[in-house]
Amino acid sequence: QKEVEQDPGPLSVPEGAIVSLNCTYSNSAFQYFMWYRQYSRKGPELLMYTYSSGNKEDGRFTAQVDKSSKYISLFIRDSQPSDSATYLCAGHFGAGNMLTFGGGTRLMVKP
Amino acid sequence: SAVISQKPSRDICQRGTSLTIQCQVDSQVTMMFWYRQQPGQSLTLIATANQGSEATYESGFVIDKFPISRPNLTFSTLTVSNMSPEDSSIYLCSVLRTGGTEAFFGQGTRLTVV
Repeated sequence: QKEVEQDPGPLSVPEGAIVSLNCTYSNSAFQYFMWYRQYSRKGPELLMYTYSSGNKEDGRFTAQVDKSSKYISLFIRDSQPSDSATYLCAGHFGAGNMLTFGGGTRLMVKP
Repeated sequence: SAVISQKPSRDICQRGTSLTIQCQVDSQVTMMFWYRQQPGQSLTLIATANQGSEATYESGFVIDKFPISRPNLTFSTLTVSNMSPEDSSIYLCSVLRTGGTEAFFGQGTRLTVV
């Protein structure tokens, strides 16, 4: 079993829809959780990171962590075609440690 | 955030040759990592580049195939040696700032071996 799992998609939604991207993880030692966005032929770009259970909001993006069920989510409101990318979640043990990535979910937002 | 410059951005190489990829960071960082991302796949960690000592390789990756240098806190190189078509992939440099928890990535090197 991989430590961080994601549905690979693709997930196709119409412009303006609310998008929900999800990950599950198995290692309860993860302290931080990150979401990265990767456009085709580009390196991953850090979108958000969270430390504890609960929600964190940044503009149209909300990251949610539920440590009791080992479930993390990224919500995108008012999705735009420019949001079309692969979204990677990652778990992190803390400062000085490497990240463990999920397989990524490809999102397509259609105009 | 950290600004990471990775070169070359892409290359097409003959099998049996070697390619060295450079990663330059705009600030001193404790930890630098090299990842491989095969088409349509997620990131696989190759090794952690340690300043002043040998790199730490993940299972399935060996120093003879992927030698890494880390001469200082802002620079690292990854060499892909004796290349075969199976090495065709995107190679990514990543850094964790000192004391930080966020990882930042270079733009990647798209390698095609023919």
